[in-house]
Amino acid sequence: GAVVSQHPSRVICKSGTSVKIECRSLDFQATTMFWYRQFPKKSLMLMATSNEGSKATYEQGVEKDKFLINHASLTLSTLTVTSAHPEDSSFYICSARDRTGSYNEQFFGPGTRLTVL
Amino acid sequence: AQKITQTQPGMFVQEKEAVTLDCTYDTSDPSYGLFWYKQPSSGEMIFLIYQGSYDQQNATEGRYSLNFQKARKSANLVISASQLGDSAMYFCAMRERDYNFNKFYFGSGTKLNVKP
Repeated sequence: GAVVSQHPSRVICKSGTSVKIECRSLDFQATTMFWYRQFPKKSLMLMATSNEGSKATYEQGVEKDKFLINHASLTLSTLTVTSAHPEDSSFYICSARDRTGSYNEQFFGPGTRLTVL
Repeated sequence: AQKITQTQPGMFVQEKEAVTLDCTYDTSDPSYGLFWYKQPSSGEMIFLIYQGSYDQQNATEGRYSLNFQKARKSANLVISASQLGDSAMYFCAMRERDYNFNKFYFGSGTKLNVKP
């Protein structure tokens, strides 16, 4: 089956620093990738939809300047949390849609746990 | 209004027994898809089963089946012969035709504990 990787799996950073999280589709091309945020014991909330070669579409309430998304190639999307603060600590999960697959297919990465001190 | 509602924050089931996890949804779109995902403590989302709004029969995947009652807007997950490895969070999700079928709406999840 299709594999989506995320790097790093876990990151701890100091308040005020920026953190970049990578999402890669390993064996398929993804024109569209999605970034979710999950608080402890809570559901996944879609943050933004990332389209290759164009600007990301952010959900209402998500700060574009805070969460920078770049989808530079068909296999890579990055989420950069700028000037991170403790309230940004969360579990971030990406997913990717196979450009050749059906609209039903969306594959999730293993997630990145961000802790901001 | 909530798009996906899971009313059971936690469930217990005895090993080898069947368990039903509830999910109701809200949409006015005639074309939508319903999904169930399993999230173990490690965090990854594992796809379990899919039901399309136009599918006539309930979806089944091994020990998983989806009890799709369209008129009631419910899509309950049935796990037969529970195993200890089934202990995890379970999320129901829906995708509508809007956003080119991009946007998933997730429920709040049900934590399933399988007892030996």
